[in-house]
Amino acid sequence: DTGVSQNPRHKITKRGQNVTFRCDPISEHNRLYWYRQTLGQGPEFLTYFQNEAQLEKSRLLSDRFSAERPKGSFSTLEIQRTEQGDSAMYLCASSTDRAEQYFGPGTRLTVT
Amino acid sequence: AQSVSQHNHHVILSEAASLELGCNYSYGGTVNLFWYVQYPGQHLQLLLKYFSGDPLVKGIKGFEAEFIKSKFSFNLRKPSVQWSDTAEYFCAVNALGGSQGNLIFGKGTKLSVKP
Repeated sequence: DTGVSQNPRHKITKRGQNVTFRCDPISEHNRLYWYRQTLGQGPEFLTYFQNEAQLEKSRLLSDRFSAERPKGSFSTLEIQRTEQGDSAMYLCASSTDRAEQYFGPGTRLTVT
Repeated sequence: AQSVSQHNHHVILSEAASLELGCNYSYGGTVNLFWYVQYPGQHLQLLLKYFSGDPLVKGIKGFEAEFIKSKFSFNLRKPSVQWSDTAEYFCAVNALGGSQGNLIFGKGTKLSVKP
């Protein structure tokens, strides 16, 4: 399968713990996006990379959130000191320049 | 701020009925428009897209959408739905004059098709 992959698919953590998610985009795609989706809502943009450069961050991305794409391939999203409000589905998408975005299956985070 | 509105939260239809899902966006500049579908237990998949040209675009599985610039709308249509169309449908907009490419999504419309 050559689509976008995300790991883990599910993560349960206790409040205050740190978590890290990984996204592997479609190999020839230079753009990578992170979104968050909560129940009853559409995905909300968090941040975006073009190659290894993080070009845009949403106001939703508090200072507890950090994302990297060190070699312009896979990306990681880390949440420090998790809070119950962080519980959501975290989606990764990739694309070529200005083209349609292809989404991965998401990582469902539950903070207890 | 840019936003996308989907008028219906939940639509219930019988098989063979016609479908129209509304989508309006708020942005005065050039846009790319998308409809994504999420089948139960699956991830978001692209249904169709509009970048430029003919405002009537055709997607997969018999879906089509019409871009009406004067109404800031991009409604999704299908003449005859099937039980397998049961899914959640999301309209999304990429405002080309603004950010670098992130999509702004509506809240989604859940479609239930009764066999």
